[in-house]
Amino acid sequence: DIVMTQSPDSLAVSLGERATINCKSSQSVLYNSNNKNYLAWYQQKPGQPPRLLIYWASTRESGVPDRFSGSGSGTDFTLTISSLQAEDVAVYYCQQYYGTPFTFGPGTKVDIK
Amino acid sequence: EVQLVESGGGLVQPGGSLRLSCAASGFTFSSYAMSWVRQAPGKGLEWVSGISGSDGSTFYANSVKGRFTISRDNSKNTLYLQMNSLRAEDTAVYFCAKLVSASCYGGLDCWGQGTLVTVSS
Repeated sequence: DIVMTQSPDSLAVSLGERATINCKSSQSVLYNSNNKNYLAWYQQKPGQPPRLLIYWASTRESGVPDRFSGSGSGTDFTLTISSLQAEDVAVYYCQQYYGTPFTFGPGTKVDIK
Repeated sequence: EVQLVESGGGLVQPGGSLRLSCAASGFTFSSYAMSWVRQAPGKGLEWVSGISGSDGSTFYANSVKGRFTISRDNSKNTLYLQMNSLRAEDTAVYFCAKLVSASCYGGLDCWGQGTLVTVSS
């Protein structure tokens, strides 16, 4: 199985400041034949189901604010919130869909400082 | 509007069985892969199973393989998860989710609200 790790476990950022979450996979999730990274990012607020933010590592889902961006390739990925808003308080998960089982990272909790 | 509504959760004894359903609306159900994802109380997300929208291929997490069966009825726009030989560690909220395409290899772009399964004597 591909193991996903995230860092940090939690972070607190001031409103308007940048938040950066890292995700690492135990093996590459880059499919060479199409040059796509099989990685997604999700946001989950308390009491709600997850919401897809980013897929193919850097493609923003429709309706997701442009302050959210994804980057990285191979085994190392980053989700960046360029200017944290109060409504961004949530747990963020990365997920690989390169190989079954499609594993999630343990999550990173983002709070306001 | 895309909607996914899960049902069938509840309290079941260890070793028992339960069948979850997910009623889909607002999109062409047969054209999309679907998945089940679970979340134990206070814990993170765990992908459980997926079924493609093209050839009906199925995939399972190692933790449920041989005990759970995913299926779909495209005529009823409904996804199922048959859960047998349930264990305490299967206790979780089970989410139904839609993939972005007919392939299981993609992001999950729409989720239901979830249904709680509790395995306890």
